[in-house]
Formats: sequence, C-alpha cells, structure tokens
Amino acid sequence: DGGITQSPKYLFRKEGQNVTLSCEQNLNHDAMYWYRQDPGQGLRLIYYSQIVNDFQKGDIAEGYSVSREKKESFPLTVTSAQKNPTAFYLCASSIAQHTEAFFGQGTRLTVV
Amino acid sequence: KQEVTQIPAALSVPEGENLVLNCSFTDSAIYNLQWFRQDPGKGLTSLLLIQSSQREQTSGRLNASLDKSSGRSTLYIAASQPGDSATYLCAGSYNTDKLIFGTGTRLQVFP
Repeated sequence: DGGITQSPKYLFRKEGQNVTLSCEQNLNHDAMYWYRQDPGQGLRLIYYSQIVNDFQKGDIAEGYSVSREKKESFPLTVTSAQKNPTAFYLCASSIAQHTEAFFGQGTRLTVV
Repeated sequence: KQEVTQIPAALSVPEGENLVLNCSFTDSAIYNLQWFRQDPGKGLTSLLLIQSSQREQTSGRLNASLDKSSGRSTLYIAASQPGDSATYLCAGSYNTDKLIFGTGTRLQVFP
C-alpha cells in the first residue's frame, strides 16, 4: 500500500539527548514536510523539502534539524537545543507545492 | 497575516443529523483549501481539497464549499454517524510553502 510511515509511534527523550524521528513515503512525492501539533494550537511547520538535497526552515525550526538524502525519506532530529520538545510530530508529503497533502500517523515525543 | 479560524471548537449532535462545519480565512489569495479528519492520537486523513477556481467538491456524504470573496469554507456532512466522530481540520495553501491550519472542530455524533 502506498503511504507515509512514521516511526516510532512513541518516543521518550531524556534531557540533553538528541532523538531522530523517521518519515518514509512510497508515494513518489517530491515535497515533504514536518509539522508539530500542540493541544489547542494549529499545526505549525518545522521544516520542508521540495526536492532531494534541499530543505528550508519553517516557522519553528529552532532546535530541529533535517536531511533529505533520498526522495522517500525525510528524518527529523530533535536536538538538545529544543527546550520544549514534548509534542505530537506529523510528517506529510505532496506531489508538489500547492497539491493535496497526505500525512503519516504521527510520533508522540515526551521528555522524561 | 494569514489566519484560519474554525468555529465552533466542539460540536455534539445526534446520529442522522445533517451538519455544517465552518472554516474562515483572512487572506482571499488562497490556492486551495483542504479538509482533514483526525482521530484521537492519529495522523490526519485528507477528506477533500478544493482548488481556488472551484466552488465545491463532493465525496460520498461529504460536501465542501469554498467562497473566496467571503473568506469561508464549509464542510457539510449528511446523515451523520457515530463513526464520523473526530476532529475536523481545515487548512489553506497560499503563496508560501506551508499549509495554514485552523485549530479544528471536535465533532461527537451520539447514537
């Protein structure tokens, strides 16, 4: 089945640790996105990539990093510089800019 | 500033009722508007996408409309069922590389 796979579903981070969230798609989409969802707030864009080996910062990129070495993969690293990382992280992809977006099932990150 | 608003934040209706969810946006220079469904603890499922040149889109019991001049989109759900219970999100696509999301309407359909 075509779709977007995020792993793990749940992730726990200790203070000072970097953690990486995985996002893989087999839809042959060029564009990929990372959003963060907090209770009572709309989704906010962290990073996006329109093409392999290129990515851009979104509205809340501080404390996060990404790579786009392959078309199907767009991992997100939450670094120790991110002071409030507890949230629900959603990966999305689309054929191109301004086309229908499809989302993965999300990763819930908790700081312990 | 581009903003998307969804009112009400929560809605509870009896099964079988036809209902309308509202989405308002401040900037009419919208490329398209997308409606999503989100179940608790899950990702977003795309329901309908309306291009700026369209006025409505239909999928099964769902019908979404778009009125750029008034800055409004509505999602109409016919003959609601308990399985429709979820949070519904709308998002606008503009001349930026991100979707602008509303905060959602949490719908409960009771038997």
